[in-house]
Amino acid sequence: DTGVSQDPRHKITKRGQNVTFRCDPISEHNRLYWYRQTLGQGPEFLTYFQNEAQLEKSRLLSDRFSAERPKGSFSTLEIQRTEQGDSAMYLCASSPPRRGEETQYFGPGTRLLVL
Amino acid sequence: ILNVEQSPQSLHVQEGDSTNFTCSFPSSNFYALHWYRWETAKSPEALFVMTLNGDEKKKGRISATLNTKEGYSYLYIKGSQPEDSATYLCASDNFGNEKLTFGTGTRLTIIP
Repeated sequence: DTGVSQDPRHKITKRGQNVTFRCDPISEHNRLYWYRQTLGQGPEFLTYFQNEAQLEKSRLLSDRFSAERPKGSFSTLEIQRTEQGDSAMYLCASSPPRRGEETQYFGPGTRLLVL
Repeated sequence: ILNVEQSPQSLHVQEGDSTNFTCSFPSSNFYALHWYRWETAKSPEALFVMTLNGDEKKKGRISATLNTKEGYSYLYIKGSQPEDSATYLCASDNFGNEKLTFGTGTRLTIIP
């Protein structure tokens, strides 16, 4: 297994444009997480899926953000009408079905710059 | 709002020396504490998940301890090597809801 992958790795966009990021979790991992890291901060939780169900959404996730995981495998995170404050590293993680406390395995992230 | 703090923010250590740094987290409703190593342009790498008070885990030259009653964890690196240069992040899972709350990290630079 090659681990969690994210695409694209970098994205530069103009304010007001829509962007979409993709995350492919480790196969057979039924749980998938999105985090965002801004400069000088640690990653912050955005949302979490178990299979295709979105179970948690942070208050950080405004109406302009939407995440999907339609078939319980890959996930997309879309940001509509981007703002300069959306510039950040967007990280995806996955973990296997829960039997106790499970590690979250992270991808390399998508770095977004909004001009 | 949960607050996870790490110190120091950055650290320069001579190759071969040992070092340690701290993570403090809310002790109430504690469920688990995660440590990650994050090298530039790579994925954060999971080091440890710790749940029990007094727990100590080891992976090669790196070890970690956990005190859930007072809400802190130490990460130790013995005999630092250049490849240890990275940002070390800790994250607390309170309530067992899998929403990790991260600290801002300790940026470690090993001087050859």
